[in-house]
Amino acid sequence: GAVVSQHPSRVICKSGTSVKIECRSLDFQATTMFWYRQFPKQSLMLMATSNEGSKATYEQGVEKDKFLINHASLTLSTLTVTSAHPEDSSFYICSALADTQETQYFGPGTRLLVL
Amino acid sequence: GENVEQHPSTLSVQEGDSAVIKCTYSDSASNYFPWYKQELGKRPQLIIDIRSNVGEKKDQRIAVTLNKTAKHFSLHITETQPEDSAVYFCAARGAAGNKLTFGGGTRVLVKP
Repeated sequence: GAVVSQHPSRVICKSGTSVKIECRSLDFQATTMFWYRQFPKQSLMLMATSNEGSKATYEQGVEKDKFLINHASLTLSTLTVTSAHPEDSSFYICSALADTQETQYFGPGTRLLVL
Repeated sequence: GENVEQHPSTLSVQEGDSAVIKCTYSDSASNYFPWYKQELGKRPQLIIDIRSNVGEKKDQRIAVTLNKTAKHFSLHITETQPEDSAVYFCAARGAAGNKLTFGGGTRVLVKP
């Protein structure tokens, strides 16, 4: 199957700082990438859909100025959590979709802890 | 938008028994229904999927059925093993766009 990597795997930061998370498709070109947030014992909640070369589409209730998404190439999308606060602490997971496929392949996730 | 309900939220079965998880969806135009398995702290992994033009699909001990009229689909795991213990998520993809809507998840525990 297709491989998606995510970096870093975990990060601890101070309140008010910004954190960047990278999502890479390693062996295929991802025309679309998705960013999810998952709180403990809860489901995956879609935050935004990222298409290469265009602006991301955010889900209702997700602040686009707080969660900056850049999909600069067919293999890389980044999520920047700006001015992070403790309530932003969560498990952030990306997934990637190739143009010719239906299956979303997930990255290993990034556990963010904001102190 | 699409709404996906999943039941039960927890399921405990004896090793060797079967496990069944059910999901309903709201968008009648949804056309793709994957199931993911997620172990603690790990990424969701696709275990099986079904498209709207098929009523049933099987892969070894795992099977999925789809009833488009009733807008529900189910995951069946037979001969469960302790390594089947995980959280299982159903999802549905609407006709517009590629995004998936996930169910709330089912925590499955297989007791040896």
